[in-house]
Amino acid sequence: TQLLEQSPQFLSIQEGENLTVYCNSSSVFSSLQWYRQEPGEGPVLLVTVVTGGEVKKLKRLTFQFGDARKDSSLHITAAQPGDTGLYLCAGATSGTYKYIFGTGTRLKVLA
Amino acid sequence: ETGVTQTPRHLVMGMTNKKSLKCEQHLGHNAMYWYKQSAKKPLELMFVYNFKEQTENNSVPSRFSPECPNSSHLFLHLHTLQPEDSALYLCASSHPKSASGSEGAQETQYFGPGTRLLVL
Repeated sequence: TQLLEQSPQFLSIQEGENLTVYCNSSSVFSSLQWYRQEPGEGPVLLVTVVTGGEVKKLKRLTFQFGDARKDSSLHITAAQPGDTGLYLCAGATSGTYKYIFGTGTRLKVLA
Repeated sequence: ETGVTQTPRHLVMGMTNKKSLKCEQHLGHNAMYWYKQSAKKPLELMFVYNFKEQTENNSVPSRFSPECPNSSHLFLHLHTLQPEDSALYLCASSHPKSASGSEGAQETQYFGPGTRLLVL
């Protein structure tokens, strides 16, 4: 059974701090996505990475796909209260159209 | 607003009730999905429809019955549920992706806000 483990599970930080969230698996994925979900809403896609070693930046968010395409990280610089939410990674294996979702990281940024 | 709406937003039902969840998308997509999000488990894919045909049933109990009358609407009919079925049920839609694609699933899924279900 494929499993995507995210760490940490919970994170509470002060505004302005930096943080990194990890998404790890023993499986190889052809693509990996990161979502943010706010209370009362569904997940919203932030980024898709498809190439091993790929780095994508979205304003203060930096996403990296591991060289072996088994893991990924999300780094947030100078976190803001608006970054608060549940961060989910999701991986798809080649030849499928299904995404397996990670266990989630719940982030709270305090003003 | 993602273009995917779900009703009702909240639902409380007894174990003997029958209810239906509704999802509607205004994005012109032809693939629709039902997911279950529980407090202590990862988001779980339940059903996938491509062009109104069910292409995935992820070992979901028969007390959950999906229906896709057209590409814009998706229902989840519920009957004789159990308390452990209490969860957030999310609908999503995307452009369809062939399972034979070598690059895997890259189509963006747009999620609705979910229906918060409590089974008593």
